[in-house]
Amino acid sequence: EVQLVESGGGLVQPGSSLKLSCVASGFTFSSYNMHWIRQAPKKGLEWIALIYYDSSNKYYADSVKGRFTISRDNSKNTLYLEMNSLRSEDTAMYYCAKDYSSYILDYWGQGVMVTVSS
Amino acid sequence: DVVLTQTPVSLSVTLGDQASISCRSSQSLEYSDGYTYLEWYLQKPGQSPQLLIYGVSNRFSGVPDRFIGSGSGTDFTLKISRVEPEDLGVYYCFQATHDPLTFGSGTKLEIK
Repeated sequence: EVQLVESGGGLVQPGSSLKLSCVASGFTFSSYNMHWIRQAPKKGLEWIALIYYDSSNKYYADSVKGRFTISRDNSKNTLYLEMNSLRSEDTAMYYCAKDYSSYILDYWGQGVMVTVSS
Repeated sequence: DVVLTQTPVSLSVTLGDQASISCRSSQSLEYSDGYTYLEWYLQKPGQSPQLLIYGVSNRFSGVPDRFIGSGSGTDFTLKISRVEPEDLGVYYCFQATHDPLTFGSGTKLEIK
């Protein structure tokens, strides 16, 4: 059974940093591209980052480019999202998702909440 | 960035009736390889989103055949025939043809 479990969220102050993790199981993690998507409270979904299976390519939404870094450790079956210079507008539920093929998001984690507030 | 405009914003449907959701793109979603990277997701209340349709019209594993995706170019439609109680939630279209990838703003399906 495919499982994606996010962690690392919490309440942080504006300008601070946070690193999210997503531990994968039930599939060969090193063979699949992975994504981060977020959802601000009562708002829609926003795709924010993609990393290829071998970390050869990374893509970001303009809203996080230069502040967030997606990475992975295939030996630990873990996806990361390092978030710097956090802003109030980064407050959201953050989901990791597995890319079945060609950017098809077939499995999602349960999400982890990040709140940026003073 | 590609903007996906979904209509209607909300939809109230009687059980057993059909629902139709439109997703219009600001640019053609047909990639140079001929594939159209357009998907539909459903987020049920309190849950993570789940994949329904990929490549415009292909149902993901386990998705009932009541869900039908269609369209091309810039105009796409998700039809749900014979709406059932478990279909309620917010439906999102999603494009992966152009970078950055983008979601539509969502359509909330309610049951009358």
